[in-house]
Amino acid sequence: AQSVTQLDSQVPVFEEAPVELRCNYSSSVSVYLFWYVQYPNQGLQLLLKYLSGSTLVKGINGFEAEFNKSQTSFHLRKPSVHISDTAEYFCAILTGGGNKLTFGTGTQLKVEL
Amino acid sequence: GAVVSQHPSRVICKSGTSVKIECRSLDFQATTMFWYRQFPKQSLMLMATSNEGSKATYEQGVEKDKFLINHASLTLSTLTVTSAHPEDSSFYICSAPGLAGSTDTQYFGPGTRLTVL
Repeated sequence: AQSVTQLDSQVPVFEEAPVELRCNYSSSVSVYLFWYVQYPNQGLQLLLKYLSGSTLVKGINGFEAEFNKSQTSFHLRKPSVHISDTAEYFCAILTGGGNKLTFGTGTQLKVEL
Repeated sequence: GAVVSQHPSRVICKSGTSVKIECRSLDFQATTMFWYRQFPKQSLMLMATSNEGSKATYEQGVEKDKFLINHASLTLSTLTVTSAHPEDSSFYICSAPGLAGSTDTQYFGPGTRLTVL
């Protein structure tokens, strides 16, 4: 069975500072990895995904993530955050051949002035 | 990009009543849709997979008689919470794969906030 771990439930950061949201996964088969963002009372929006190829993936809103197979990680980064980035961020995994996303518990990013 | 809508966005009902939530794919067809529920400050939990023209597949622990799913067309899936109780209060989100037969990208609806009094 696969699982996703987001160790940080909350990450406070000042505006224009860099941020990294951590995600580790566990799976015995090949995986697809995703990061989604959820604004209050809204559904999820895809930030970026890793399916294959280059391990550094660039997404929307200036976010990027790096797939590290040896460390089974897919951390999300942004070099300079904005107030509008305040939201809940979910890491998710899809195992090869499967059709069900498994989500981490989410990380609340709070950007402060 | 692909758009998924949900209706209603928010509903308040009395305990014991039934509530229907609609999920529509607006500009693409979806033979499969997924229903999730999300409790406050928690992650999304997959409830069931809705299949057009056939029975839904429910995750372990989800009562199929309580959460009725109907996928009557290629653009519409409905979730009916029957005899709702306060513990059913939650945020319900649906999603659909963007490409037929592909599940690597799912498009999520905006969610429905259900409050059972």
